[in-house]
Amino acid sequence: DAGVIQSPRHEVTEMGQEVTLRCKPISGHDYLFWYRQTMMRGLELLIYFNNNVPIDDSGMPEDRFSAKMPNASFSTLKIQPSEPRDSAVYFCASRVTNEQFFGPGTRLTVL
Amino acid sequence: SQQGEEDPQALSIQEGENATMNCSYKTSINNLQWYRQNSGRGLVHLILIRSNEREKHSGRLRVTLDTSKKSSSLLITASRAADTASYFCATDVRQAGTALIFGKGTTLSVSS
Repeated sequence: DAGVIQSPRHEVTEMGQEVTLRCKPISGHDYLFWYRQTMMRGLELLIYFNNNVPIDDSGMPEDRFSAKMPNASFSTLKIQPSEPRDSAVYFCASRVTNEQFFGPGTRLTVL
Repeated sequence: SQQGEEDPQALSIQEGENATMNCSYKTSINNLQWYRQNSGRGLVHLILIRSNEREKHSGRLRVTLDTSKKSSSLLITASRAADTASYFCATDVRQAGTALIFGKGTTLSVSS
């Protein structure tokens, strides 16, 4: 298996633009997690899904953030409109047992 | 909010020395996990210890858990330059179900 796949790896955009981050979990994993990592706040859980259903989105910082999982092999995290304070590394992770498998992350820079 | 807090924030040692990192948490847990993150990469699972376990070993890693003190430690023995990374503890908080809450990590630097 190729592991958790995220795209793009790097994204540079201007304030106000829409940003879409993509994730393909490991096949057979029934949980998918989105995290954000910054120096100041560390690794924050944004939202997670179980069998494509959002379970807890209390970590989503604002209404500008939304996430979907239309099927078991694909999820998106969208920021609209983006702001400079959204600059961070966004990780997707999936699991079937207790161990979480992380993707390589998307480094987002909002100018 | 952070559940786990690692200590120290940064640690520098020489190759061959042992490295000990500590983690404290606030609420009851089902299990505690340790992850490693190399610079610019995603996190990699190292070891899981359940709330009814006190110690666990995996290769050069030794993890202890003291639920009465709500703390855990990760010991890396005979460290190598390749162990240079950030190490995070993560707790499976009962109230949160299956979500993991991560600490801010300990940055370990091993020089040769």
